[in-house]
Amino acid sequence: GESVGLHLPTLSVQEGDNSIINCAYSNSASDYFIWYKQESGKGPQFIIDIRSNMDKRQGQRVTVLLNKTVKHLSLQIAATQPGDSAVYFCAESKTTSGTYKYIFGTGTRLKVLA
Amino acid sequence: KAGVTQTPRYLIKTRGQQVTLSCSPISGHRSVSWYQQTPGQGLQFLFEYFSETQRNKGNFPGRFSGRQFSNSRSEMNVSTLELGDSALYLCASSPGRQGRISNTGELFFGEGSRLTVL
Repeated sequence: GESVGLHLPTLSVQEGDNSIINCAYSNSASDYFIWYKQESGKGPQFIIDIRSNMDKRQGQRVTVLLNKTVKHLSLQIAATQPGDSAVYFCAESKTTSGTYKYIFGTGTRLKVLA
Repeated sequence: KAGVTQTPRYLIKTRGQQVTLSCSPISGHRSVSWYQQTPGQGLQFLFEYFSETQRNKGNFPGRFSGRQFSNSRSEMNVSTLELGDSALYLCASSPGRQGRISNTGELFFGEGSRLTVL
């Protein structure tokens, strides 16, 4: 079946270092891949997305890489800050008959160490 | 502009009862999706509504239902509650584009309604 999974459930990173959060997906029929950040007690917040016809997209301190050959998605956070501590979800967005749906991974908890 | 508003934020029910959760999307957004979030399963898609019509449905039993009103506000209902229904229920809105082939990818989530079933 289709699934979106994560390699690591918890990632601990020293403040100031770069973070890399990985995600594997099994279904290549999708329009977008998205990363969300969820802080404790809050709903998920959109970080960055990437179209399936791209392999890299950059935002402010974040970069998303898409490797369709191995069906792998990653989120890179530069100069990780304490405020980056949260659970990060990857998701794939699939289009079916003109509409779309999202499949989320189970999440990776990022802990930033002072 | 105001974000997605979900009510109630917290509620406790007992097995066999039913519950109704409400979601007010961002003004102008016509698509509302519902997700169930549990520690072990992550975010599981329940259903999506657009212009009062259910467009997509996840793999949940018929005890889970929803609807959308003409003002885009949405409700979801869970009947005959089970212990396993304890979860954070998240609502997400997006502008939605009827018939559009591709999407922009962004969902705007509310803070959720945390349901505990005893």
